[in-house]
Amino acid sequence: GENVEQHPSTLSVQEGDSAVIKCTYSDSASNYFPWYKQELGKGPQLIIDIRSNVGEKKDQRIAVTLNKTAKHFSLHITETQPEDSAVYFCAVISNFGNEKLTFGTGTRLTIIP
Amino acid sequence: GAGVSQTPSNKVTEKGKYVELRCDPISGHTALYWYRQSLGQGPEFLIYFQGTGAADDSGLPNDRFFAVRPEGSVSTLKIQRTERGDSAVYLCASSFTGGTEAFFGQGTRLTVV
Repeated sequence: GENVEQHPSTLSVQEGDSAVIKCTYSDSASNYFPWYKQELGKGPQLIIDIRSNVGEKKDQRIAVTLNKTAKHFSLHITETQPEDSAVYFCAVISNFGNEKLTFGTGTRLTIIP
Repeated sequence: GAGVSQTPSNKVTEKGKYVELRCDPISGHTALYWYRQSLGQGPEFLIYFQGTGAADDSGLPNDRFFAVRPEGSVSTLKIQRTERGDSAVYLCASSFTGGTEAFFGQGTRLTVV
């Protein structure tokens, strides 16, 4: 089955700096790559996603890049703010029709004021 | 409602007891998923419904776990003869057609004592 690795497990950045979280996946047929933000005591919240026919997608301070050849994708957060502190998960769907998300192990992001 | 609703938010039960966890998906969403999240881990897939039928139940750990969605809306996850290892946060998600843009509820924290 699909295997998703996520790095780093923890990340601390100064407020205003950028944060980058990376994930690799094993199944070359994977075609949907969402990122989720999870705050304490809450469910994961979808913040951005990308499909396999796109290399990059941006939404305000958040961007995701995808390298299908290398089978990795990354989350970029610019101009970080204290409210960005949370646990971030990448996820993968291997192919449409097999609808389950396989999640990475998460990155705890701390923004230092 | 506006989002995915799960009840109860917390459930404490004794080892060996039966529990039911309920999920109300976003209105109009045909796809519904159950995931389980242990402390410090990413969510792990349990089961996926498309309409009333379970399209993929490959993540259910054993036959003590069962889920239904009789009218294609509300779903109930049922756990028989609970064990301490079943303690986790059980997350429900729904999406419009399946496969993309899954929205999660806040989860039910199950503690088996």
